[in-house]
Amino acid sequence: DAMVIQNPRYQVTQFGKPVTLSCSQTLNHNVMYWYQQKSSQAPKLLFHYYDKDFNNEADTPDNFQSRRPNTSFCFLDIRSPGLGDAAMYLCATSRDKVVSYEQYFGPGTRLTVT
Amino acid sequence: AQSVTQLGSHVSVSEGALVLLRCNYSSSVPPYLFWYVQYPNQGLQLLLKYTSAATLVKGINGFEAEFKKSETSFHLTKPSAHMSDAAEYFCAVSTPDGGSQGNLIFGKGTKLSVKP
Repeated sequence: DAMVIQNPRYQVTQFGKPVTLSCSQTLNHNVMYWYQQKSSQAPKLLFHYYDKDFNNEADTPDNFQSRRPNTSFCFLDIRSPGLGDAAMYLCATSRDKVVSYEQYFGPGTRLTVT
Repeated sequence: AQSVTQLGSHVSVSEGALVLLRCNYSSSVPPYLFWYVQYPNQGLQLLLKYTSAATLVKGINGFEAEFKKSETSFHLTKPSAHMSDAAEYFCAVSTPDGGSQGNLIFGKGTKLSVKP
């Protein structure tokens, strides 16, 4: 089945220790998104890639970076995690940047910062 | 600018009862609207979407939603709740233009509880 895969599902890191979360997709979609979702809140868009073009949301902290080496993979790097970065991180894809196209979400990676 | 408001952060129904989750939108252009469901520790799954083809939209798991332009609403309903419907539900609107085209703006979510 075509899908969006996130690894690992659960990640524990130490305060200030860099961490990388991974997302892959078999849908061959052009757009890949990263969201941060804290408990009982809506997902908050951090950034997205449209093909190789990176689009950062204005309020995304510099501590968050992303890489998309090819169509299938996208990574979220947190350079110096703080306690406030503990959250569920969701990856999503969309066929293209068209207003009527839905997004397909992965299962998420729950990040704990100790 | 687009926005979405979900009335009621928590809705509780009995098994077999009607489910009604409310969503109102604000948009300067004809909106494209989505309902997603999220089970605990899972990603979001699309339930249904409105893209102007029909005002009554049927989705998965017996859910449907009706687009009412006069009320700027897109409420989600299901005639008979199952225990398995217990989850969090998000209404979203898609941004129509510029570099953000296709980005989703989510409501704050409604957590649905189903009592036996």
